[in-house]
Amino acid sequence: DIVMTQSPDSLAVSLGERATINCKSSQSVLYSSNNKNYLAWYQQKPGQPPKLLIYWASTRESGVPDRFSGSGSGTDFTLTISSLQAEDVAVYYCQQYYSTLVTFGPGTKVDIK
Amino acid sequence: EVQLVESGGGLVQPGGSLRLSCAASGFTFSSYWMHWVRQAPGKGLVWVSRINSDGSSTSYADSVKGRFTISRDNAKNTLYLQMNSLRAEDTAVYYCASPGDWDYFDYWGQGTLVTVSS
Repeated sequence: DIVMTQSPDSLAVSLGERATINCKSSQSVLYSSNNKNYLAWYQQKPGQPPKLLIYWASTRESGVPDRFSGSGSGTDFTLTISSLQAEDVAVYYCQQYYSTLVTFGPGTKVDIK
Repeated sequence: EVQLVESGGGLVQPGGSLRLSCAASGFTFSSYWMHWVRQAPGKGLVWVSRINSDGSSTSYADSVKGRFTISRDNAKNTLYLQMNSLRAEDTAVYYCASPGDWDYFDYWGQGTLVTVSS
């Protein structure tokens, strides 16, 4: 199984400041034949299902604000919220879909400082 | 508008069975693979199972293999999860989810809570 880890477990950021979440996979999720990273990011607010933010490591889902961006390759990835808004308070998960056994990271909780 | 609506959750005793349903609308259900993902209370997301578009191919997480069965009825635009031999650790909100062009999930239902307890 590909194990996903995230850091930090939680962070508190002032409104308008940058939030950075890291995700690491236990093996590369970069498929060399198409040069694509099989990595997605989700946002989950209390009592709601997850919402897809980013797929293919850096492609923003339609309708997602451009303050959300994804980067990285191979085993190390980052989700950046460039200017934190109050509505961004949530838990964020990364997910690999390189393996048929898809796995999620444990989540990172983002709060307002 | 894509909608996925789960139902069938509830309280069941250990060793019992339950069948979850997911009614899909707003897209051509019969063309898409479908998945179940679960989330124990206060915990993270765990993939459970997938089924291909015509129901001929399925796969499962090791934790549910041999106990859970995924199926679909494309005429009814409905996905199912038959859960047998339920354990306390199966307690979770179960989401159905539809994938994008690969196994990332662009649409999710609201989830249905399954509680396994005596």
